[in-house]
Amino acid sequence: DAGITQSPRHKVTETGTPVTLRCHQTENHRYMYWYRQDPGHGLRLIHYSYGVKDTDKGEVSDGYSVSRSKTEDFLLTLESATSSQTSVYFCAISEGQTYEQYFGPGTRLTVT
Amino acid sequence: QKEVEQNSGPLSVPEGAIASLNCTYSDRVSQSFFWYRQYSGKSPELIMSIYSNGDKEDGRFTAQLNKASQYVSLLIRDSQPSDSATYLCAVNPGNQFYFGTGTSLTVIP
Repeated sequence: DAGITQSPRHKVTETGTPVTLRCHQTENHRYMYWYRQDPGHGLRLIHYSYGVKDTDKGEVSDGYSVSRSKTEDFLLTLESATSSQTSVYFCAISEGQTYEQYFGPGTRLTVT
Repeated sequence: QKEVEQNSGPLSVPEGAIASLNCTYSDRVSQSFFWYRQYSGKSPELIMSIYSNGDKEDGRFTAQLNKASQYVSLLIRDSQPSDSATYLCAVNPGNQFYFGTGTSLTVIP
């Protein structure tokens, strides 16, 4: 987890409310990723960023948006949270697209 | 068809034995391959990366890659109780990572 922090670490929110999760890195890596991890599905990519203001969708991007205004910060927003978005969310960073990814400590989100 | 397949286990081995974990993938153009270890309630931790056919050794861990057969494996020698965790295989065909659902390993003292 060195060099990568996520906030909050735990959150409970109600259906229909917007939620923003933050990932912060001190490694100056170009690529940043948001995943969700659910039993039976493993880690699935939501969105990723390949530079400031440069983002792209992953396989489960519906209902999520991201922003990256600084190299060190990558924000994930659930525009209107649903119970199906209850999950553990991990941020990851890498130097390049095919390079190793390193994960943050995760955020456990519960949508009631 | 899933991109990456792993036997979910659980796999149990006695302490000191060799644990063998396997992973198959569907995308023939995959370029890079990774093994992560994840303890319960924690984030994935990188163990090994492998990019070319053959074996790569790092301490008690050996990764094996066979691109023709589209499989990658991880051997853990002299297994320890601290190796008990879920092991995730990840494959990158060039644009993003695809993860398997993981194999749960228990090392019995």
